Amino acid sequence: EAQVTQNPRYLITVTGKKLTVTCSQNMNHEYMSWYRQDPGLGLRQIYYSMNVEVTDKGDVPEGYKVSRKEKRNFPLILESPSPNQTSLYFCASSLRPYNSPLHFGNGTRLTVT
Amino acid sequence: KNEVEQSPQNLTAQEGEFITINCSYSVGISALHWLQQHPGGGIVSLFMLSSGKKKHGRLIATINIQEKHSSLHITASHPRDSAVYICAVEGSQGNLIFGKGTKLSVKP
Repeated sequence: EAQVTQNPRYLITVTGKKLTVTCSQNMNHEYMSWYRQDPGLGLRQIYYSMNVEVTDKGDVPEGYKVSRKEKRNFPLILESPSPNQTSLYFCASSLRPYNSPLHFGNGTRLTVT
Repeated sequence: KNEVEQSPQNLTAQEGEFITINCSYSVGISALHWLQQHPGGGIVSLFMLSSGKKKHGRLIATINIQEKHSSLHITASHPRDSAVYICAVEGSQGNLIFGKGTKLSVKP
């Protein structure tokens, strides 16, 4: 089944403890991206990648890192999480960077205390 | 001013009504997406448009590039259409800019 898989679905952690949220797609998509969703602010793009070894900052990249070493995986790394990174995170992919439907993962609800 | 504006923010309709959700944007785009998010969180892509009109079942999406405006229409609305509908535009750099969403509630 074609899908975007995010893990974990829920994560509670403490300030400063490094964490990684994984994202994997099995559709050979070129484009992958990360978003956070907050009440009243909607969805905002964190980072995106147009292909392997190519990553770009979105609107809210501060405090996050990403890597795209292989086409199928695009992990989101929080080196030193802070409470303002408590949010609902989504990964998405599409076949091409432009003019291509988006496929979303199921989301990761992160709480940083 | 937000680069992508949706209206209305909230919409309540009776089952069977025709519904329109609007999206206006101020930047140059390569495409526009309409997304649906049900309570409980998952996001589904409904349409991707770069011109004209698309139809899928009871849903119709239109875009006017010159006026920088798109509409999502739902015909014969049903309670299962209750969700948040989100407009997103593709910028020239491959980035995505989102509207804040329209929360639709369809009453039986």
